[in-house]
Amino acid sequence: QKEVEQNSGPLSVPEGAIASLNCTYSDRGSQSFFWYRQYSGKSPELIMFIYSNGDKEDGRFTAQLNKASQYVSLLIRDSQPSDSATYLCAVRDSTLGRLYFGRGTQLTVWP
Amino acid sequence: DAGVIQSPRHEVTEMGQEVTLRCKPISGHNSLFWYRQTMMRGLELLIYFNNNVPIDDSGMPEDRFSAKMPNASFSTLKIQPSEPRDSAVYFCASSPPRGANSPLHFGNGTRLTVT
Repeated sequence: QKEVEQNSGPLSVPEGAIASLNCTYSDRGSQSFFWYRQYSGKSPELIMFIYSNGDKEDGRFTAQLNKASQYVSLLIRDSQPSDSATYLCAVRDSTLGRLYFGRGTQLTVWP
Repeated sequence: DAGVIQSPRHEVTEMGQEVTLRCKPISGHNSLFWYRQTMMRGLELLIYFNNNVPIDDSGMPEDRFSAKMPNASFSTLKIQPSEPRDSAVYFCASSPPRGANSPLHFGNGTRLTVT
């Protein structure tokens, strides 16, 4: 399977801070990238996707993509305790359209 | 929209027994994925169907695992015989026919325990 690497964490930030989550991938031909959030005992839910180099903003979330460096990140501004979850990076491969996931970064936002 | 529906939510079985997991994708979605999630290995792609046809089953761990999609609204993942190392949460996900940017929508998963 194609490699999608994330820092497993845990990442701990205070409420109101910016949380920065990073992901690298091995398939240089990948075209689309997704961030999912997974609460303990629940299924992954989509936060946002990005397919063009640069930044994409949606509310408190900003995804950043750098295809040359094969790097994608997620910034969470004004972090809230409710953001505490595992964040999964996913990459759609360039051949068959399969979606590969990293192992996730566990984020804790403390009040 | 009811979302992706999986059954059962929990399954406890003894080693050697047959296990069948079921999935109903979102209506209109033409791609279906089966994943397995464990603490050790994270989310692993097992098999991927497009328009009911298996496109890639390279993630299926061994011959004990098989998956079918007889029509656009139903898929099964079968393990026969089951082993304790198959214990995991199995997720089914579907996506619409909109190309590379189509996100996956996950079901609630089936937590399988093999004793």
